[in-house]
Amino acid sequence: EDQVTQSPEALRLQEGESSSLNCSYTVSGLRGLFWYRQDPGKGPEFLFTLYSAGEEKEKERLKATLTKKESFLHITAPKPEDSATYLCAVLGGSQGNLIFGKGTKLSVKP
Amino acid sequence: DVKVTQSSRYLVKRTGEKVFLECVQDMDHENMFWYRQDPGLGLRLIYFSYDVKMKEKGDIPEGYSVSREKKERFSLILESASTNQTSMYLCASSPPDRVYNEQFFGPGTRLTVL
Repeated sequence: EDQVTQSPEALRLQEGESSSLNCSYTVSGLRGLFWYRQDPGKGPEFLFTLYSAGEEKEKERLKATLTKKESFLHITAPKPEDSATYLCAVLGGSQGNLIFGKGTKLSVKP
Repeated sequence: DVKVTQSSRYLVKRTGEKVFLECVQDMDHENMFWYRQDPGLGLRLIYFSYDVKMKEKGDIPEGYSVSREKKERFSLILESASTNQTSMYLCASSPPDRVYNEQFFGPGTRLTVL
């Protein structure tokens, strides 16, 4: 069964304390892995798409990487405004629909 | 900027009522999607559409139907609302040559069924 698992469920950081969020997946024939950011009461906002193992993408303090079994979202020197829920989704598998993980809720304290 | 709007931010309905959730996008996207988001379950795809008058079932279509009469508008219909349909409903759209790439989401409708 196609599955996406994100860890940890919640992460609390001090401002400036770098860390990583994990997204592990089991799908047949990965066609893309997506990272989104979601603020409370709002819809998800697209961040990155990764297509193949070894690929990396960066945006400000965020860097996403992809291996054959997982993706990491690295957050360097986070600020309070980075506080949000980060969602991972994969496209692949037998049905071809996007499969979302349950998200990691990140809190960054000043 | 792509804009996806949803007709209501909050909605309260009674069991058995027929409920319409409307979604409009202004970027001429072919693809549109309806998801529901529940704590502990994440985002789940209800229905999607590749073009006007076309629709495909997602992972959890039971109890829902959709309508796409115009390219910019995608409606989700709850024929007879039930309490287990209380949820956050999210609409999304994406351009045609990248079916699931960069889906743009609306702000969501929080539906409560009493």
